[in-house]
Amino acid sequence: QKEVEQNSGPLSVPEGAIASLNCTYSDRGSQSFFWYRQYSGKSPELIMSIYSNGDKEDGRFTAQLNKASQYVSLLIRDSQPSDSATYLCAVNPSAGGTSYGKLTFGQGTILTVHP
Amino acid sequence: NAGVTQTPKFQVLKTGQSMTLQCAQDMNHNSMYWYRQDPGMGLRLIYYSASEGTTDKGEVPNGYNVSRLNKREFSLRLESAAPSQTSVYFCASSWPYEQYFGPGTRLTVT
Repeated sequence: QKEVEQNSGPLSVPEGAIASLNCTYSDRGSQSFFWYRQYSGKSPELIMSIYSNGDKEDGRFTAQLNKASQYVSLLIRDSQPSDSATYLCAVNPSAGGTSYGKLTFGQGTILTVHP
Repeated sequence: NAGVTQTPKFQVLKTGQSMTLQCAQDMNHNSMYWYRQDPGMGLRLIYYSASEGTTDKGEVPNGYNVSRLNKREFSLRLESAAPSQTSVYFCASSWPYEQYFGPGTRLTVT
């Protein structure tokens, strides 16, 4: 079982719709969760971080965390063609200690927003 | 602030040649990382440095060496390049957990 799993997609949504991206993780001790956006040919860009159960909103983005289900999601409201990219879920597998800031990344979900 | 910078942006090597990829950050982060990204393989950690003076192997360290020169700089060296090392290399830094990436180096080994 992969440590961090994402549906590779591609996920295709129409402009203006809500895009829902999902991620599951295997390490129950994980404490920190991140979403990165990566445009083709570019580096990953941090767009959301979440540390507590529940929802965290930032503009059109909402991250949702459910530690009991080992599940984290990213909702993108009012999707735009400029949101078309690969979205990477990343998990810090420990509260600290020797793992420091090491992250385990999922393979990424390709999102396409069509006009 | 420049964030995380990497040089060079592109490089072509012949098999057996050596080179050093440079990375620097100006965010006063303690931890730095080197990843490679290949199609279908995602981001894989090569080496990381939790703090100045320490380095540790990641998931795919074979064929690479690193040096944490000071708090700002973390270099990755390929001693004898192989075609399997053709990839895009990213450097990142963090403190404590949020990682920020450099623009990447696209390396081709022929």
